[in-house]
Amino acid sequence: DTGVSQDPRHKITKRGQNVTFRCDPISEHNRLYWYRQTLGQGPEFLTYFQNEAQLEKSRLLSDRFSAERPKGSFSTLEIQRTEQGDSAMYLCASSSGLAGVGLYNEQFFGPGTRLTVL
Amino acid sequence: AQSVTQLDSQVPVFEEAPVELRCNYSSSVSVYLFWYVQYPNQGLQLLLKYLSGSTLVESINGFEAEFNKSQTSFHLRKPSVHISDTAEYFCAVTLGGLRGGYNKLIFGAGTRLAVHP
Repeated sequence: DTGVSQDPRHKITKRGQNVTFRCDPISEHNRLYWYRQTLGQGPEFLTYFQNEAQLEKSRLLSDRFSAERPKGSFSTLEIQRTEQGDSAMYLCASSSGLAGVGLYNEQFFGPGTRLTVL
Repeated sequence: AQSVTQLDSQVPVFEEAPVELRCNYSSSVSVYLFWYVQYPNQGLQLLLKYLSGSTLVESINGFEAEFNKSQTSFHLRKPSVHISDTAEYFCAVTLGGLRGGYNKLIFGAGTRLAVHP
């Protein structure tokens, strides 16, 4: 399977605990995105990486959230001191940069990690 | 800033009937437009996209969407739906033109299409 993979698929945690999610993009995709999807809503952009550089962060990404992509391949999203409002589906997407400026590089989405904070 | 409004949260329809899922966007600059589909317990899949050129775009499974710049709309249509089309459909935009290469997607809230026998 050469698609975007995410681990774990489901995570149940208690309020106040820390959680970490992993995303493995499609091989050789240098662009990686994190989105959050709450129940009944569309996905909302969280952050974007080009290779290992985090180039954009949404104001939705509070100080309790941190994302990394240390070697420009897989990425992790950590949430510290989880709150019930963090319960959501966390989606990862990747794209190549081959299309160049002015053209669109399709984003391919992973299956998501569903977080439930009790 | 860009925004997307999907006017119907749920659309029930009988099998083989036509369907239209409505999407309106707001942007002061050029945009690229997309429809994504999400089947239960699966990730988002790109259904079709408008980047430039012909305002009518089609998918391989019979869906089509028309970009209407004057009405800032990108409605999705299918002349005859199947049970297997039951899913959540999301309209999305991203900045077009020079910045279209790597921008984030802005999604609507989604429309749940329920096809009944």
